[in-house]
Order: sequence, then C-alpha cells, then structure tokens
Amino acid sequence: DAGVTQSPTHLIKTRGQQVTLRCSPKSGHDTVSWYQQALGQGPQFIFQYYEEEERQRGNFPDRFSGHQFPNYSSELNVNALLLGDSALYLCASSLVGGNEQFFGPGTRLTVL
Amino acid sequence: GQQVMQIPQYQHVQEGEDFTTYCNSSTTLSNIQWYKQRPGGHPVFLIQLVKSGEVKKQKRLTFQFGEAKKNSSLHITATQTTDVGTYFCARLGSSARQLTFGSGTQLTVLP
Repeated sequence: DAGVTQSPTHLIKTRGQQVTLRCSPKSGHDTVSWYQQALGQGPQFIFQYYEEEERQRGNFPDRFSGHQFPNYSSELNVNALLLGDSALYLCASSLVGGNEQFFGPGTRLTVL
Repeated sequence: GQQVMQIPQYQHVQEGEDFTTYCNSSTTLSNIQWYKQRPGGHPVFLIQLVKSGEVKKQKRLTFQFGEAKKNSSLHITATQTTDVGTYFCARLGSSARQLTFGSGTQLTVLP
C-alpha cells in the first residue's frame, strides 16, 4: 500500500520563475492538503482540495494555486517566485472529514 | 486563527533521561494532535487528544490534554537515540481541514 508520494524531491529555481509540485495521495484517500515548512518552523497550511475544488485556504497570496485531478492527485503551482518561497513543501492526504493527515516526503524548493 | 505555542524550542538530554514538551493555547482547543519529524523527514502523526484531562500512552510516550483544554504535553520516559527529532503539537480546525502547528521542540539525545 503506497503512502503519499511527491515529486520532484528537490528543485532549484530563480526569482520570478514559476514552479509546479506534484502529489499522489495515499491509496483510498480523497483529500489533499498542502503545507509550507520554512527551515526551523512548523508547517503552515496553504490549502486543501477535495472533489477537485479548493475547500479551504490559509494565509497565502494568489501566487499560490492548486489543482486536484479526478484520480485525487494534486498539483501546487507557485508563480513569480520570491526568495522567501524557499521551503519544504509538504503534501498530506486524508479521507474527507478525517482527523489524521498522512504526510509525504516533501519537495525541497530553493529559490535563488 | 488560534495559535498554539510550544516550549521549549530546543532540548538536549542524555540518553536514558526523560523529556517533556509543552503546548499552550490562549483559547480552548477542541483537539490537539502530536507529530514527530525526524531530521530530513516529514511529520508523522502520533496521536490525537479530544477529551478534557485525557491521558494516552504509547510505550514510553505519554500524552496529556489539560483539564481546561488549553494545554497539552508529551513526555518521553528514558529517551533513546531513536527519539531524536522535532515534536510538533497541532490543532485541527473545526471543519477537519486545516492543521495549525506549533513551532516544535527539537530533541537531541546524547549517547
């Protein structure tokens, strides 16, 4: 039973560029959440997707957008990258309304 | 949103010593979850507490939820090198969508 998978593992971009991160949820899960974790801090909620729609959004600008596909996988897009966007981006999957979120290994994004 | 404060930020212990991390909120929490993140890893769910005064144990780990549901603690008895990592408390929003994490306690266990 595969857990949550994310790609790529690492990514280096320059300021102003755009990036797309991908996530496949744990088998049987239908809900995907994205978190940003800066070095030395706790994860910060970006948004959650269910039934291909954004259900809830954290305090992140519109440069951060997402998508969920019919197979429940999800993408996180970040436009006009800033140095401060450098972080570990974590995807977590769950069943809708479930209490436990299963985190993927994350994508380490470095913006130069 | 409701913030959860976590102390201490760092803790170094000798292997075999006990360790405790505390999570505090200025408002009543409907639930509190605990996660462990190994160095270079991702958060792994440990437990959820929902009842006032609740105490749960997992082997050497003891989790408590305060009577007023404004604080929680994680206690590890006789730490081992495998306990190394950052321990986070987190609150799950009422709609079971958003996790709000504390800042974490980074535990180092010296052999």
